Amino acid sequence: GAVVSQHPSWVICKSGTSVKIECRSLDFQATTMFWYRQFPKQSLMLMATSNEGSKATYEQGVEKDKFLINHASLTLSTLTVTSAHPEDSSFYICSARESPGPYTFGSGTRLTVV
Amino acid sequence: GQSLEQPSEVTAVEGAIVQINCTYQTSGFYGLSWYQQHDGGAPTFLSYNGLDGLEETGRFSSFLSRSDSYGYLLLQELQMKDSASYFCAVRDLSNQGGKLIFGQGTELSVKP
Repeated sequence: GAVVSQHPSWVICKSGTSVKIECRSLDFQATTMFWYRQFPKQSLMLMATSNEGSKATYEQGVEKDKFLINHASLTLSTLTVTSAHPEDSSFYICSARESPGPYTFGSGTRLTVV
Repeated sequence: GQSLEQPSEVTAVEGAIVQINCTYQTSGFYGLSWYQQHDGGAPTFLSYNGLDGLEETGRFSSFLSRSDSYGYLLLQELQMKDSASYFCAVRDLSNQGGKLIFGQGTELSVKP
């Protein structure tokens, strides 16, 4: 089945620095990928839809200048958390779908900002 | 917009059967999916219902009634490893490629 790879699996960074998270579709092409954020004991909240070759579509309330998304190829989307602060500490998960199959998720990235 | 409601937690014993309900409100309906997520892990796909009725996959079954905007996930012969969070989700096709919107999740605890 479709496989989505996400790196790194965890990262610790200092407040004010930027962190890049990669999401790759390993055996299929994904014109669209999705980025979610999940706080402990809560649901997955969609942050943005990443579109290959065009701008990402952000959900209401998500700062596009803070969460930069780049989808430069059909198999890679990146999420950069800029000027990270402790409140950005969370579990970030990407997803893609190889139609007509289900949505497949990456293994997630646990970000801790200190 | 889309909204889904499911119980926040359910407890059951090993070997038992448990049902997790999900009601939804959507502008357009394109199927109800179920995902399992263990602590610290990625959500994994369990089941999908596009039409009314029951879908069975091993110990897991999922049911949908579109007229009632309601579905459920049925887990049989519960095992300790089934302790996890379970999410129902619907597709929103308002943007290209669609997006998956999740319910708040049901934390299932399986006791010995």
